[in-house]
Amino acid sequence: AQKVTQAQTEISVVEKEDVTLDCVYETRDTTYYLFWYKQPPSGELVFLIRRNSFDEQNEISGRYSWNFQKSTSSFNFTITASQVVDSAVYFCALLSWAGSYQLTFGKGTKLSVIP
Amino acid sequence: DGGITQSPKYLFRKEGQNVTLSCEQNLNHDAMYWYRQDPGQGLRLIYYSQIVNDFQKGDIAEGYSVSREKKESFPLTVTSAQKNPTAFYLCASSIISGDLNYNEQFFGPGTRLTVL
Repeated sequence: AQKVTQAQTEISVVEKEDVTLDCVYETRDTTYYLFWYKQPPSGELVFLIRRNSFDEQNEISGRYSWNFQKSTSSFNFTITASQVVDSAVYFCALLSWAGSYQLTFGKGTKLSVIP
Repeated sequence: DGGITQSPKYLFRKEGQNVTLSCEQNLNHDAMYWYRQDPGQGLRLIYYSQIVNDFQKGDIAEGYSVSREKKESFPLTVTSAQKNPTAFYLCASSIISGDLNYNEQFFGPGTRLTVL
């Protein structure tokens, strides 16, 4: 069965603090992709990153970084020096053959960055 | 510009009325999807279609219907049988490929439906 767990429902941080959003996944497949999406108040899903199961290198993009660890089935997302514009709901998602090409989403983490 | 269009952004209907949400894509994608989003629930799959004139139920299809008469269009009808239709609805599309790398989904801006 496919499952994505984002245990943190809501997080509040003060501007310039670092924050990590957790994502734990379950799948029977050895080949799969993991995604992070940002959903600002406007509602549209904004793609942030895609990672395949064979690439465990961590990735950094500006203030964003991602830590993929297959040993713990986790794909955590860190925002460094958070800004008010980072306030949004963040979703982790899983795509695999076992899911019949379907994206399985976590329930999302609402991040509030306080000025 | 290539993309996915959903209209309208906000939709209001009276209880007991059917309502159809539109979704159009000009990306030449084979597959299209409808998701429902409720607060604290994440996105849940309603229906998806991988080819014209064919579609499959997702996790929460009850009270909804779809059609796929054209590759670029995948309208969703919320029927009066849907007990709690007020929600945010997102449409997505993707290529269908044997290489999972190409099956990424692209999302539209969403329609917020409120049933009064």
